[in-house]
Amino acid sequence: DTEVTQTPKHLVMGMTNKKSLKCEQHMGHRAMYWYKQKAKKPPELMFVYSYEKLSINESVPSRFSPECPNSSLLNLHLHALQPEDSALYLCASSQDLWGAGTEAFFGQGTRLTVV
Amino acid sequence: GNSVTQMEGPVTLSEEAFLTINCTYTATGYPSLFWYVQYPGEGLQLLLKATKADDKGSNKGFEATYRKETTSFHLEKGSVQVSDSAVYFCALFTGGGNKLTFGTGTQLKVEL
Repeated sequence: DTEVTQTPKHLVMGMTNKKSLKCEQHMGHRAMYWYKQKAKKPPELMFVYSYEKLSINESVPSRFSPECPNSSLLNLHLHALQPEDSALYLCASSQDLWGAGTEAFFGQGTRLTVV
Repeated sequence: GNSVTQMEGPVTLSEEAFLTINCTYTATGYPSLFWYVQYPGEGLQLLLKATKADDKGSNKGFEATYRKETTSFHLEKGSVQVSDSAVYFCALFTGGGNKLTFGTGTQLKVEL
């Protein structure tokens, strides 16, 4: 199983809503990532978890709140978003942060629209 | 810091044409290099990778060779198909940096 599963695939939310994006992997990977991708741009790193602990926060606004409940799951809690936060949100995982040749496996993404 | 430079797109080719997408990088240490492909409306899929100088990654007819002397990792395919139409991202990873560094992506359009 080399899949990273993200739910939901599409999400429309108002600026006052609270919602969560979910990501799951069963490859035994100990590093998990959230990326944000705007149209026609490369993915931008938001957060990195290593062994269920937040390792990197790329100065992301507090309206985005990540959570790693266990080694297989990664959530991104959303609150009071702005229309400019509309994007494709990608989850990824890798075996760990330090190994040579470490490759990241990506999910299909959640297409988020903030209205 | 690390950076990846890709050729500007879109690249438009006829089916069965030869493809080259250029990628050069700047990195500290010894990066691993990757090509990811993104089909319309989908996430990223790893296409191929190389972890050390002179390694050649290959998959689905695509190839790329890790050239340390020219800091390049150009993607090639001998005969493209319409189904290869996608955006291709070159990326590098250094363990100490804890993250992938992506190029800007190159859109490929293959026409009949």
